[in-house]
Amino acid sequence: DADVTQTPRNRITKTGKRIMLECSQTKGHDRMYWYRQDPGLGLRLIYYSFDVKDINKGEISDGYSVSRQAQAKFSLSLESAIPNQTALYFCATSEGDRGSKNIQYFGAGTRLSVL
Amino acid sequence: GQNIDQPTEMTATEGAIVQINCTYQTSGFNGLFWYQQHAGEAPTFLSYNVLDGLEEKGRFSSFLSRSKGYSYLLLKELQMKDSASYLCAVSPTTGGFKTIFGAGTRLFVKA
Repeated sequence: DADVTQTPRNRITKTGKRIMLECSQTKGHDRMYWYRQDPGLGLRLIYYSFDVKDINKGEISDGYSVSRQAQAKFSLSLESAIPNQTALYFCATSEGDRGSKNIQYFGAGTRLSVL
Repeated sequence: GQNIDQPTEMTATEGAIVQINCTYQTSGFNGLFWYQQHAGEAPTFLSYNVLDGLEEKGRFSSFLSRSKGYSYLLLKELQMKDSASYLCAVSPTTGGFKTIFGAGTRLFVKA
């Protein structure tokens, strides 16, 4: 079983719809992240959370919201989807120890298309 | 600002050696990573450098020069399965353990 699981793997939605992407992990990591990946732009950070009570905006948080329901679960919501949110979305986790290298472990990704 | 530069694409021949360069400018430095990403799949961790020098791991090696803001990933004895994107990423000391990713270098290995 995957250590970082994202659902759904693929989603097609219409402009204006609210959708939620879910991420769960069995690695026991404190830190969780949501990224989007667009061709030629690399991975860009949307939101990150260092524990259940700590949620922070990344570089491109507008139009997105998140919820850290438990240490193992971190959800990303698009309140009103728009076509330029069409992208590949990745959830990632990393250890929370002060001395850790902060290596990130990624889920398999969610391919989202907004029509 | 924070910036990571790496070539967009490279092509190499099976069995050869290829070097993928990365230069970075960040607010402080807390480590440099290389990740491999096959098309449509998740990035996976390859290597980590925090001190100057070469880190070797099997066919893959990664080099870091902090004074030059420069790293490279060296892939030896290339195999067809090495065709993938290679992402250079840096942890700056500001911003609380976030990681800045480069756009990636797509490597094509030909027979």
